[in-house]
Amino acid sequence: NAGVTQTPKFRILKIGQSMTLQCTQDMNHNYMYWYRQDPGMGLKLIYYSVGAGITDKGEVPNGYNVSRSTTEDFPLRLELAAPSQTSVYFCASSYSQISRTANTEAFFGQGTRLTVV
Amino acid sequence: GQQVMQIPQYQHVQEGEDFTTYCNSSTTLSNIQWYKQRPGGHPVFLIQLVKSGEVKKQKRLTFQFGEAKKNSSLHITATQTTDVGTYFCAGKDGGSNYKLTFGKGTLLTVNP
Repeated sequence: NAGVTQTPKFRILKIGQSMTLQCTQDMNHNYMYWYRQDPGMGLKLIYYSVGAGITDKGEVPNGYNVSRSTTEDFPLRLELAAPSQTSVYFCASSYSQISRTANTEAFFGQGTRLTVV
Repeated sequence: GQQVMQIPQYQHVQEGEDFTTYCNSSTTLSNIQWYKQRPGGHPVFLIQLVKSGEVKKQKRLTFQFGEAKKNSSLHITATQTTDVGTYFCAGKDGGSNYKLTFGKGTLLTVNP
């Protein structure tokens, strides 16, 4: 069972370049998330999706775009890379909350370490 | 928006000592989750607390959810070197079933 798969694992971008971080999950989860993690700063939510065709902004969406055309895939697009986007990016997914006590843990991918120079 | 604060940011202990990290939310939470991230790894789910005043144990780890559902704690008894990592709390506020807001985490290092 693959879980949440992110590609690439590492990437170096030049300022102004664009790229797409890929994320796919095989658990049939409705909810998917993109977080960025800067050293000592915890996880900040960039975008999230509650189902195919539905996306919404998190805390730090500027400079990023997402799409959710299928349940499985939730790619994150950086259009004009800036040094401030140097970070580790995590994609995660979880079940819809059926009941108040249902376990809705988030499953994380291995992360993409991005450096913008 | 909702904020989740976690203290301390760092904690260094000798193996065998106890460790506690605290989590406080600016809003009432529907549930709180705890995750562990090993150095260089990704966050891995530990537990979810839902009920006011709930206490759950996993071997040497004890998790508590406050009566007002705005704070939580994780206590590790007799730390081991395998406990090294960053511990995050993550809360879902009462109005959202899907938005997880993470604290900044507590980095635990253990001296053997």
